[in-house]
Amino acid sequence: TQLLEQSPQFLSIQEGENLTVYCNSSSVFSSLQWYRQEPGEGPVLLVTVVTGGEVKKLKRLTFQFGDARKDSSLHITAAQPGDTGLYLCAGADFNKFYFGSGTKLNVKP
Amino acid sequence: KAGVTQTPRYLIKTRGQQVTLSCSPISGHRSVSWYQQTPGQGLQFLFEYFSETQRNKGNFPGRFSGRQFSNSRSEMNVSTLELGDSALYLCASRPTSGRAGEQYFGPGTRLTVT
Repeated sequence: TQLLEQSPQFLSIQEGENLTVYCNSSSVFSSLQWYRQEPGEGPVLLVTVVTGGEVKKLKRLTFQFGDARKDSSLHITAAQPGDTGLYLCAGADFNKFYFGSGTKLNVKP
Repeated sequence: KAGVTQTPRYLIKTRGQQVTLSCSPISGHRSVSWYQQTPGQGLQFLFEYFSETQRNKGNFPGRFSGRQFSNSRSEMNVSTLELGDSALYLCASRPTSGRAGEQYFGPGTRLTVT
């Protein structure tokens, strides 16, 4: 049973389109992270959200933490082929970490 | 600062054998965690070491073990390998002062069991 559910599992879009990835849980986390992983490499940390309702922006990426600190979303504006990869959300509960199953994004030129 | 390094990057073993994987964390990081990543199960937490002590453990059988040395380098051992152990094994380190979930991953070791 996955503690963190991500949707959609797969997303294939054209360059320039917008998209949103969701990360949902029934558990409350002290913080939530988003990572991006490219084939053959380890995940790379993108952002940490801590406060309920928090919104963080990283260039064309916007991250939001739900008010109840149970869910999060990642919105990408004007996607580019370089955004292609596996996006993972992770929740921290003290010193235990739980990862979502990931969203595989493919941005076609 | 050099990132997390893992050796070897690729490994092929036969069922029943044992294997040891190595991880060197970012300089100054004392926490090292290990994960197993498979297409079916995703990223699953194996264990975490901090200052040479296992601090947390996931739900894996006792065939999976680890240790950490005084220089924070860590090794993971899998004994009596099974076909289902084929996976990407990832090591992550984090600073003591950082937030719990902010981890820095190595490139992984791709283990294939035949």
